[in-house]
Amino acid sequence: DAGVIQSPRHEVTEMGQEVTLRCKPISGHDYLFWYRQTMMRGLELLIYFNNNVPIDDSGMPEDRFSAKMPNASFSTLKIQPSEPRDSAVYFCASSLSTSGGETQYFGPGTRLLVL
Amino acid sequence: AQKITQTQPGMFVQEKEAVTLDCTYDTSDPSYGLFWYKQPSSGEMIFLIYQGSYDQQNATEGRYSLNFQKARKSANLVISASQLGDSAMYFCAMRETDGTASKLTFGTGTRLQVTL
Repeated sequence: DAGVIQSPRHEVTEMGQEVTLRCKPISGHDYLFWYRQTMMRGLELLIYFNNNVPIDDSGMPEDRFSAKMPNASFSTLKIQPSEPRDSAVYFCASSLSTSGGETQYFGPGTRLLVL
Repeated sequence: AQKITQTQPGMFVQEKEAVTLDCTYDTSDPSYGLFWYKQPSSGEMIFLIYQGSYDQQNATEGRYSLNFQKARKSANLVISASQLGDSAMYFCAMRETDGTASKLTFGTGTRLQVTL
């Protein structure tokens, strides 16, 4: 079975441009998570979905960030307008549940550089 | 206060030796879970091992074991017989249940370097 798929793997853009990151979770997983990883702040949860519904978006830094999950097999994280401080690796992860030893499976990440 | 603390920014270990990576946590939730992930230089996050707060025995997965000391709120990862491929960042994470939310909080990580 394929793991979590993210695209693009690398993105370089200029400040002020719109950036869209994409994620396909593992089939059958009901939970989808978006994380951001930076040297300064480590790995932070931005938002997560359960059955396509956003459950907790308290980690979304500001209104420039938005996330959607139109169906069980696809999610997007959009930054508009992008700023240099948004440069980071963005991970998508999915899991069957959030209880017990059920782990989150991470995608390879999207490395974003905003110039 | 930090929920997950990893006090060792970097560790060195010789090949074939054992190494312990420290992790302490802070929670008032009686039910929680502790996870360790490995992040090699290629960047992906790889799940290693899980310990539940009610588990009576320490978790083991191959060369990985978790030294769980509940009263001290510590969940150290032990890697036995280190291999060069173990060189990576290692993250400890905790899952608590806050109402209907159940999120992972990660530590800052420990960079392990395995030497010949």
